Amino acid sequence: DAGVTQSPTHLIKTRGQQVTLRCSPKSGHDTVSWYQQALGQGPQFIFQYYEEEERQRGNFPDRFSGHQFPNYSSELNVNALLLGDSALYLCASSFRGLNQPQHFGDGTRLSIL
Amino acid sequence: AQSVTQPDIHITVSEGASLELRCNYSYGATPYLFWYVQSPGQGLQLLLKYFSGDTLVQGIKGFEAEFKRSQSSFNLRKPSVHWSDAAEYFCAVGQGNFGNEKLTFGTGTRLTIIP
Repeated sequence: DAGVTQSPTHLIKTRGQQVTLRCSPKSGHDTVSWYQQALGQGPQFIFQYYEEEERQRGNFPDRFSGHQFPNYSSELNVNALLLGDSALYLCASSFRGLNQPQHFGDGTRLSIL
Repeated sequence: AQSVTQPDIHITVSEGASLELRCNYSYGATPYLFWYVQSPGQGLQLLLKYFSGDTLVQGIKGFEAEFKRSQSSFNLRKPSVHWSDAAEYFCAVGQGNFGNEKLTFGTGTRLTIIP
Protein backbone atom coordinates (compact mmCIF):
# COMPACT_ATOMS: atom_id res chain seq x y z
CA ASP A 1 0.00 0.00 0.00
CA ALA A 2 1.78 3.11 -1.26
CA GLY A 3 1.81 6.07 1.07
CA VAL A 4 1.77 9.72 0.08
CA THR A 5 4.16 10.33 -2.81
CA GLN A 6 5.57 13.69 -3.85
CA SER A 7 7.58 14.80 -6.87
CA PRO A 8 10.14 16.02 -7.48
CA THR A 9 12.23 15.42 -4.35
CA HIS A 10 14.48 18.42 -4.99
CA LEU A 11 14.12 21.51 -7.13
CA ILE A 12 16.26 24.58 -7.76
CA LYS A 13 14.71 27.74 -9.18
CA THR A 14 15.64 31.41 -9.48
CA ARG A 15 13.76 34.44 -8.21
CA GLY A 16 10.72 35.37 -10.28
CA GLN A 17 10.23 31.90 -11.75
CA GLN A 18 7.19 29.69 -11.29
CA VAL A 19 7.12 26.16 -9.87
CA THR A 20 4.68 23.23 -9.74
CA LEU A 21 4.90 20.52 -7.12
CA ARG A 22 2.92 17.28 -7.29
CA CYS A 23 1.34 14.95 -4.76
CA SER A 24 -0.42 11.60 -4.93
CA PRO A 25 -2.43 10.76 -1.82
CA LYS A 26 -2.43 7.51 0.06
CA SER A 27 -4.83 4.93 -1.32
CA GLY A 28 -8.35 5.54 0.03
CA HIS A 29 -7.74 9.19 0.92
CA ASP A 30 -9.77 11.96 -0.69
CA THR A 31 -8.34 15.10 0.91
CA VAL A 32 -4.96 16.74 0.31
CA SER A 33 -3.27 19.44 2.38
CA TRP A 34 -0.08 21.35 1.68
CA TYR A 35 2.41 22.71 4.22
CA GLN A 36 5.55 24.81 4.02
CA GLN A 37 8.38 23.98 6.42
CA ALA A 38 11.22 26.49 6.61
CA LEU A 39 14.54 25.33 8.01
CA GLY A 40 14.35 24.83 11.76
CA GLN A 41 10.61 25.52 11.92
CA GLY A 42 7.42 23.54 12.21
CA PRO A 43 5.23 23.08 9.13
CA GLN A 44 2.90 25.96 8.24
CA PHE A 45 -0.50 25.19 6.68
CA ILE A 46 -0.94 26.53 3.14
CA PHE A 47 -4.32 25.08 2.05
CA GLN A 48 -6.48 21.98 1.84
CA TYR A 49 -8.35 20.51 -1.13
CA TYR A 50 -11.39 18.28 -1.10
CA GLU A 51 -13.71 17.46 -4.01
CA GLU A 52 -11.44 19.53 -6.26
CA GLU A 53 -12.08 22.72 -4.29
CA GLU A 54 -9.97 24.70 -1.86
CA ARG A 55 -11.68 24.25 1.52
CA GLN A 56 -9.31 25.93 3.95
CA ARG A 57 -6.45 28.36 3.48
CA GLY A 58 -3.65 29.51 5.74
CA ASN A 59 -1.93 32.87 5.79
CA PHE A 60 -0.20 32.64 2.40
CA PRO A 61 -0.37 35.12 -0.49
CA ASP A 62 -2.22 34.50 -3.75
CA ARG A 63 1.09 33.55 -5.38
CA PHE A 64 0.40 30.16 -3.84
CA SER A 65 -2.34 28.27 -5.64
CA GLY A 66 -3.37 24.70 -6.01
CA HIS A 67 -5.45 22.18 -7.80
CA GLN A 68 -6.97 18.79 -7.08
CA PHE A 69 -7.75 16.33 -9.82
CA PRO A 70 -10.61 13.78 -10.04
CA ASN A 71 -8.21 11.01 -8.96
CA TYR A 72 -7.54 13.05 -5.76
CA SER A 73 -3.95 13.92 -6.69
CA SER A 74 -2.93 17.53 -6.25
CA GLU A 75 -0.56 20.23 -7.42
CA LEU A 76 0.87 23.22 -5.62
CA ASN A 77 1.84 26.18 -7.80
CA VAL A 78 3.96 29.09 -6.67
CA ASN A 79 4.40 32.14 -8.92
CA ALA A 80 6.96 34.95 -8.79
CA LEU A 81 9.28 33.00 -6.52
CA LEU A 82 11.06 34.85 -3.72
CA LEU A 83 14.16 33.84 -1.81
CA GLY A 84 11.93 33.35 1.23
CA ASP A 85 10.01 30.60 -0.56
CA SER A 86 12.98 28.27 -0.07
CA ALA A 87 11.63 25.49 2.12
CA LEU A 88 10.51 21.88 2.35
CA TYR A 89 6.98 21.57 0.93
CA LEU A 90 5.00 18.77 2.49
CA CYS A 91 1.87 17.17 1.17
CA ALA A 92 -0.49 15.35 3.53
CA SER A 93 -3.52 13.26 2.71
CA SER A 94 -6.47 12.10 4.78
CA PHE A 95 -9.95 10.72 4.52
CA ARG A 96 -12.53 13.40 5.17
CA GLY A 97 -14.35 12.24 8.28
CA LEU A 98 -14.12 11.98 12.02
CA ASN A 99 -10.94 10.73 13.66
CA GLN A 100 -8.94 10.61 10.44
CA PRO A 101 -5.36 11.86 10.84
CA GLN A 102 -3.23 13.37 8.09
CA HIS A 103 -0.45 11.25 6.61
CA PHE A 104 2.58 13.04 5.17
CA GLY A 105 4.85 12.48 2.21
CA ASP A 106 8.62 13.00 2.32
CA GLY A 107 8.33 16.47 0.80
CA THR A 108 9.89 18.48 -2.01
CA ARG A 109 12.95 20.55 -1.11
CA LEU A 110 12.70 23.84 -3.04
CA SER A 111 15.76 26.09 -3.22
CA ILE A 112 15.54 29.59 -4.68
CA LEU A 113 18.73 31.21 -5.96
CA ALA B 1 -6.41 31.62 17.14
CA GLN B 2 -5.06 28.26 18.01
CA SER B 3 -1.39 27.79 18.84
CA VAL B 4 1.03 25.13 20.05
CA THR B 5 4.06 25.67 22.26
CA GLN B 6 6.91 23.23 22.62
CA PRO B 7 9.08 24.79 25.33
CA ASP B 8 12.13 22.61 24.77
CA ILE B 9 14.06 23.27 21.57
CA HIS B 10 16.61 20.52 22.18
CA ILE B 11 16.71 17.61 24.63
CA THR B 12 19.56 15.14 25.19
CA VAL B 13 18.81 11.77 26.79
CA SER B 14 20.93 8.70 27.48
CA GLU B 15 19.95 5.50 25.71
CA GLY B 16 17.67 3.47 27.96
CA ALA B 17 16.55 6.49 29.98
CA SER B 18 12.97 7.74 30.10
CA LEU B 19 11.74 10.64 27.99
CA GLU B 20 9.09 13.32 28.29
CA LEU B 21 8.55 15.99 25.62
CA ARG B 22 6.30 18.88 26.56
CA CYS B 23 3.48 20.36 24.50
CA ASN B 24 1.01 23.08 25.45
CA TYR B 25 -1.83 24.18 23.22
CA SER B 26 -4.27 27.04 22.98
CA TYR B 27 -7.64 26.20 21.44
CA GLY B 28 -11.16 27.31 22.23
CA ALA B 29 -12.97 24.03 21.69
CA THR B 30 -12.21 20.38 22.36
CA PRO B 31 -8.80 19.89 20.76
CA TYR B 32 -7.71 17.24 18.34
CA LEU B 33 -4.05 16.61 19.18
CA PHE B 34 -1.23 14.84 17.40
CA TRP B 35 2.44 13.98 17.78
CA TYR B 36 4.56 13.53 14.67
CA VAL B 37 8.22 12.55 14.30
CA GLN B 38 10.56 13.71 11.53
CA SER B 39 13.93 12.18 10.72
CA PRO B 40 16.46 14.29 8.77
CA GLY B 41 15.42 14.78 5.17
CA GLN B 42 12.15 12.95 5.67
CA GLY B 43 8.49 13.77 5.98
CA LEU B 44 6.44 13.50 9.17
CA GLN B 45 5.35 10.18 10.61
CA LEU B 46 2.30 10.05 12.89
CA LEU B 47 3.18 8.70 16.36
CA LEU B 48 -0.22 9.04 18.01
CA LYS B 49 -3.43 11.05 18.09
CA TYR B 50 -6.08 12.16 20.55
CA PHE B 51 -9.61 12.83 19.40
CA SER B 52 -11.70 12.01 22.47
CA GLY B 53 -12.18 9.44 25.19
CA ASP B 54 -9.34 7.98 27.24
CA THR B 55 -6.87 10.76 28.01
CA LEU B 56 -3.88 8.40 27.87
CA VAL B 57 -3.22 7.37 24.29
CA GLN B 58 -0.81 4.76 23.03
CA GLY B 59 1.13 5.16 19.82
CA ILE B 60 3.71 3.42 17.71
CA LYS B 61 7.31 2.68 18.74
CA GLY B 62 6.38 2.49 22.44
CA PHE B 63 5.32 6.14 22.76
CA GLU B 64 2.35 7.37 24.77
CA ALA B 65 0.85 10.78 25.50
CA GLU B 66 -1.50 12.12 28.12
CA PHE B 67 -4.11 14.82 27.47
CA LYS B 68 -4.62 17.12 30.46
CA ARG B 69 -7.36 19.64 29.79
CA SER B 70 -6.75 21.58 33.03
CA GLN B 71 -3.13 22.21 32.00
CA SER B 72 -3.76 22.52 28.24
CA SER B 73 -1.02 19.96 27.77
CA PHE B 74 -0.37 16.87 25.68
CA ASN B 75 3.05 15.59 26.73
CA LEU B 76 4.77 12.73 24.95
CA ARG B 77 6.49 10.00 26.96
CA LYS B 78 8.56 6.90 26.44
CA PRO B 79 9.86 4.71 29.29
CA SER B 80 13.15 3.72 27.61
CA VAL B 81 14.59 5.45 24.56
CA HIS B 82 16.57 3.78 21.79
CA TRP B 83 19.26 5.36 19.62
CA SER B 84 16.83 5.18 16.68
CA ASP B 85 14.49 7.62 18.48
CA ALA B 86 16.86 10.50 17.70
CA ALA B 87 14.79 12.87 15.52
CA GLU B 88 12.66 16.03 15.56
CA TYR B 89 9.30 15.77 17.31
CA PHE B 90 6.33 17.97 16.52
CA CYS B 91 3.11 18.46 18.45
CA ALA B 92 0.08 19.68 16.51
CA VAL B 93 -3.52 20.69 17.10
CA GLY B 94 -6.18 20.14 14.45
CA GLN B 95 -9.21 22.25 13.71
CA GLY B 96 -12.32 21.98 11.59
CA ASN B 97 -15.46 19.90 11.77
CA PHE B 98 -13.49 16.67 11.59
CA GLY B 99 -10.40 17.85 13.46
CA ASN B 100 -8.14 17.27 10.50
CA GLU B 101 -8.87 20.20 8.21
CA LYS B 102 -5.94 22.34 9.32
CA LEU B 103 -3.02 21.40 11.56
CA THR B 104 -1.14 23.99 13.58
CA PHE B 105 2.31 22.78 14.60
CA GLY B 106 4.71 23.74 17.33
CA THR B 107 8.30 24.63 16.48
CA GLY B 108 9.52 21.15 17.36
CA THR B 109 11.87 19.51 19.88
CA ARG B 110 15.09 17.97 18.65
CA LEU B 111 15.96 14.77 20.52
CA THR B 112 19.57 13.62 20.78
CA ILE B 113 20.41 10.20 22.23
CA ILE B 114 23.80 9.60 23.81
CA PRO B 115 25.23 6.10 24.41
